[in-house]
Amino acid sequence: SQKIEQNSEALNIQEGKTATLTCNYTNYSPAYLQWYRQDPGRGPVFLLLIRENEKEKRKERLKVTFDTTLKQSLFHITASQPADSATYLCALPAYSGAGSYQLTFGKGTKLSVIP
Amino acid sequence: GAGVSQSPSNKVTEKGKDVELRCDPISGHTALYWYRQSLGQGLEFLIYFQGNSAPDKSGLPSDRFSAERTGGSVSTLTIQRTQQEDSAVYLCASSPDLNEAFFGQGTRLTVV
Repeated sequence: SQKIEQNSEALNIQEGKTATLTCNYTNYSPAYLQWYRQDPGRGPVFLLLIRENEKEKRKERLKVTFDTTLKQSLFHITASQPADSATYLCALPAYSGAGSYQLTFGKGTKLSVIP
Repeated sequence: GAGVSQSPSNKVTEKGKDVELRCDPISGHTALYWYRQSLGQGLEFLIYFQGNSAPDKSGLPSDRFSAERTGGSVSTLTIQRTQQEDSAVYLCASSPDLNEAFFGQGTRLTVV
């Protein structure tokens, strides 16, 4: 069966360090992968999309890599700040078996940046 | 409004009652998703609408759950004969092209 795993439920890091979050998937061949941020009591907010033919993508202090051989994406936040504390979700299009692709999410990693 | 709007933001209902949750997507977005998020859990896919195509209902957990999308815009998720295990945050998202989903704030449903 198709599965998305975000290896850490929670990750604590010191302010200023680089946070690295992992998203692994099995039995998928996604054309792209997305990362979202979710703050408590709010809906997820889109951060980045990386396509299968892209190895790396950057946006300000964020960097995402996509290794289709390893079936893995890494999400990095450099020079982390307490304001980066949130839950980060990866998502990819999965065939639902009902004739369409729908966006399927991992369970997320809760990042805490300690001052 | 500029974003996805969901109403009500909070709903407390008695077990066995029916509830309707509403989602106003961003104008022009052809795709609309409903997800459910239980406390501390990930997003569970419920249903997906894309344009005029038949909806993908493969994530609905039981026949007590149904959804419709009128005129390709507003969507309503209905839960009949609510049970305590239905308590969760129900999130709606819309998308113009499936490359980015825009989420509403969610409806927190509590079944007592």
